[in-house]
Amino acid sequence: RKEVEQDPGPFNVPEGATVAFNCTYSNSASQSFFWYRQDCRKEPKLLMSVYSSGNEDGRFTAQLNRASQYISLLIRDSKLSDSATYLCVVNIPMDSSYKLIFGSGTRLLVRP
Amino acid sequence: GAGVSQTPSNKVTEKGKYVELRCDPISGHTALYWYRQSLGQGPEFLIYFQGTGAADDSGLPNDRFFAVRPEGSVSTLKIQRTERGDSAVYLCASSPWGTYNEQFFGPGTRLTVL
Repeated sequence: RKEVEQDPGPFNVPEGATVAFNCTYSNSASQSFFWYRQDCRKEPKLLMSVYSSGNEDGRFTAQLNRASQYISLLIRDSKLSDSATYLCVVNIPMDSSYKLIFGSGTRLLVRP
Repeated sequence: GAGVSQTPSNKVTEKGKYVELRCDPISGHTALYWYRQSLGQGPEFLIYFQGTGAADDSGLPNDRFFAVRPEGSVSTLKIQRTERGDSAVYLCASSPWGTYNEQFFGPGTRLTVL
């Protein structure tokens, strides 16, 4: 079983639609959670951190369910510029460090 | 300010050759990470440096892969006897010490082994 699992998509939605991505993780010791965005042939960039209480940044809402080891990202009022791959990322503590484990990503295509 | 830079941006080599990939992190960032990303996959962790030392090299796939960071800044990922399966984008990221938050990625080096 992969440590971080995501639906690869693609999700093909019209402008203005609301779309939700889900992610599950296997390591219950995971401490921090993130969504990164990656445009085609570009590097990943942090979209938002995910907190237990849920958090919102403009049109983006992230939620974490530690009991179910489940993370979600909701995008409201989709824009053409939201087209990208969204990577679910989990921070796993190691002995004296930590590392990020990335999901394979969910591809979003927003059409006019 | 300057972000993470990586050179070369593209590298084409022949099977069996040796390659070096360079990463220049954001100034002042003590943590440096190498990842490998294959098509359709998320970045896969390779190695993590805190300062000059490799704090975690558990992601290096085998002993053909080695990385150094001798002065705690620039890092070099070295691959010996390259194989076609090594073809991927190699990403470097850095972050301030002691943070559980954002890692800043460089643009990557696209390695193609013929």
